[in-house]
Amino acid sequence: GEDVEQSLFLSVREGDSSVINCTYTDSSSTYLYWYKQEPGAGLQLLTYIFSNMDMKQDQRLTVLLNKKDKHLSLRIADTQTGDSAIYFCAEIERYGKLTFGQGTILTVHP
Amino acid sequence: DTEVTQTPKHLVMGMTNKKSLKCEQHMGHRAMYWYKQKAKKPPELMFVYSYEKLSINESVPSRFSPECPNSSLLNLHLHALQPEDSALYLCASSLLATGELFFGEGSRLTVL
Repeated sequence: GEDVEQSLFLSVREGDSSVINCTYTDSSSTYLYWYKQEPGAGLQLLTYIFSNMDMKQDQRLTVLLNKKDKHLSLRIADTQTGDSAIYFCAEIERYGKLTFGQGTILTVHP
Repeated sequence: DTEVTQTPKHLVMGMTNKKSLKCEQHMGHRAMYWYKQKAKKPPELMFVYSYEKLSINESVPSRFSPECPNSSLLNLHLHALQPEDSALYLCASSLLATGELFFGEGSRLTVL
């Protein structure tokens, strides 16, 4: 089956940029997603990128997609303490099934 | 209205109880989902409903029974659960089965 991998932890200082990386295996994925989960909460869709795009920017968020290497990244500019959360990348299979990575715990230090 | 609303937020039940989790959306989405999430793990798909018909059952035990009474509502009926079924149950919806999913805040279930 499909496999999505992420590094488990990232720690940054407030004001720095954060880069969260993800690799996936299904080259036929049409969409790739980034979700944020704060403690005790559900998943919040942050952004997504269509597979024919290389980059997508949305305010402080920049998504880069390297289809050749099956590598996806999420850059958060000017990281704030409120950005501390678990970040999941996900790819979509047929019939609406999302496969999530293990999640990256982002900790932002003042 | 861009919300997926789940009730109850917390549920504690014994192994002989029968309870239900409810999910509601008014975004006109035609695909609805149940996911299960254990602590510090990614969500795992349980069921997908597309146009009110069950389209995916990820080999979920029969003690979990989904129901989609109409395009806005999704229920998960629980019966004879085990303590290992304790988890956060997340409902999601999407416009179509290949669109971005919008998640509710989840129902945290504890089985004693």
